[in-house]
Amino acid sequence: EAQVTQNPRYLITVTGKKLTVTCSQNMNHEYMSWYRQDPGLGLRQIYYSMNVEVTDKGDVPEGYKVSRKEKRNFPLILESPSPNQTSLYFCASSSDLPPLYEQYFGPGTRLTVT
Amino acid sequence: LAKTTQPISMDSYEGQEVNITCSHNNIATNDYITWYQQFPSQGPRFIIQGYKTKVTNEVASLFIPADRKSSTLSLPRVSLSDTAVYYCLVAGSSNTGKLIFGQGTTLQVKP
Repeated sequence: EAQVTQNPRYLITVTGKKLTVTCSQNMNHEYMSWYRQDPGLGLRQIYYSMNVEVTDKGDVPEGYKVSRKEKRNFPLILESPSPNQTSLYFCASSSDLPPLYEQYFGPGTRLTVT
Repeated sequence: LAKTTQPISMDSYEGQEVNITCSHNNIATNDYITWYQQFPSQGPRFIIQGYKTKVTNEVASLFIPADRKSSTLSLPRVSLSDTAVYYCLVAGSSNTGKLIFGQGTTLQVKP
């Protein structure tokens, strides 16, 4: 089954403790992206990757890192999480480079930073 | 990057046709318009995409006027299960991967 998977689905952590949220897709997609979703703010892009070893900042990259060493994986790294990074995170992938952007989204990771 | 504006919320009743309009005044020549649907606690799901005129699939229709400064997602005969948030996204080859979603429209379908 074609899908985007994220792990963990739920995470409660403390301020400053480094964490990684994994994202994997099995559709051989070139494009991958991370979003965060907060009440009243919609979906905001954190980072995206057009291809392996190519990543770039989205709208809200501060406090996050990503890497794209393999086509299928695109982990999101929070080196020193803070409470304002408490959010619902979505990973997405797409086989259609610009301009089509039919993205497939993962199930989401709900992160709480205390 | 094209900015989009949608109504924050809409109400409808089962069986009615629902039209959600998205305004995108600064759409670029090579931009496409894409609509996504999101249920609570789930990732968004692609519904439909178009460039101009009308596009129809098994789920919805997308109407785009000649000037392309707006678009309308049409959901025929909605049911309670269509209650969701609908996002309009405008993007093209000039985006180089950076995408900006609007705040979305929360559609509430009532029995």
